[in-house]
Amino acid sequence: DVKVTQSSRYLVKRTGEKVFLECVQDMDHENMFWYRQDPGLGLRLIYFSYDVKMKEKGDIPEGYSVSREKKERFSLILESASTNQTSMYLCASSPDASSPLHFGNGTRLTVT
Amino acid sequence: AQSVTQPDIHITVSEGASLELRCNYSYGATPYLFWYVQSPGQGLQLLLKYFSGDTLVQGIKGFEAEFKRSQSSFNLRKPSVHWSDAAEYFCAVGAYNTDKLIFGTGTRLQVFP
Repeated sequence: DVKVTQSSRYLVKRTGEKVFLECVQDMDHENMFWYRQDPGLGLRLIYFSYDVKMKEKGDIPEGYSVSREKKERFSLILESASTNQTSMYLCASSPDASSPLHFGNGTRLTVT
Repeated sequence: AQSVTQPDIHITVSEGASLELRCNYSYGATPYLFWYVQSPGQGLQLLLKYFSGDTLVQGIKGFEAEFKRSQSSFNLRKPSVHWSDAAEYFCAVGAYNTDKLIFGTGTRLQVFP
């Protein structure tokens, strides 16, 4: 069974801090994704990666960056956290464009 | 550009009643379509998917969905809802020429005994 693991379930950070959200998948999937989930807005794509060191902007990349140095790991970076980045962050992976996504359990980030 | 609309934010049904959750998509070619379910505090789990072929697809937990190209819809149905089906349901659309998957805003299902 595919496992997507997000390193933290809950995080509390202060405004201006640099924040790293880590995601690891164990199925050698090519594609990895970071979504943000907010009530009434559904899931919005922040960034995705289709190969090591490759990344593409999603619909809301502002204020975020990503890193994919190894195939199994995809990191989301908030360079300077702000209160409007308080949200649930979901990582997902898939082997290719036509395959379903496998999701982690999410990281609930609170920025105070 | 792809887009997905789930017009119902919140639906309440009685246990044992039938269920239909609506999903409309916008895309020029034949899309890939998915339904996911999210239980409280969990990630999303795939219920079913449509790529091509038979327009009525069966999924897990007794769910099914029908692709109607003329209506740009992919509605999710279940003939008899169980209390454990209470969750949030997301429709999503993808395409063969992109790795992106676009999600709707979700429908929260509440089930009364």
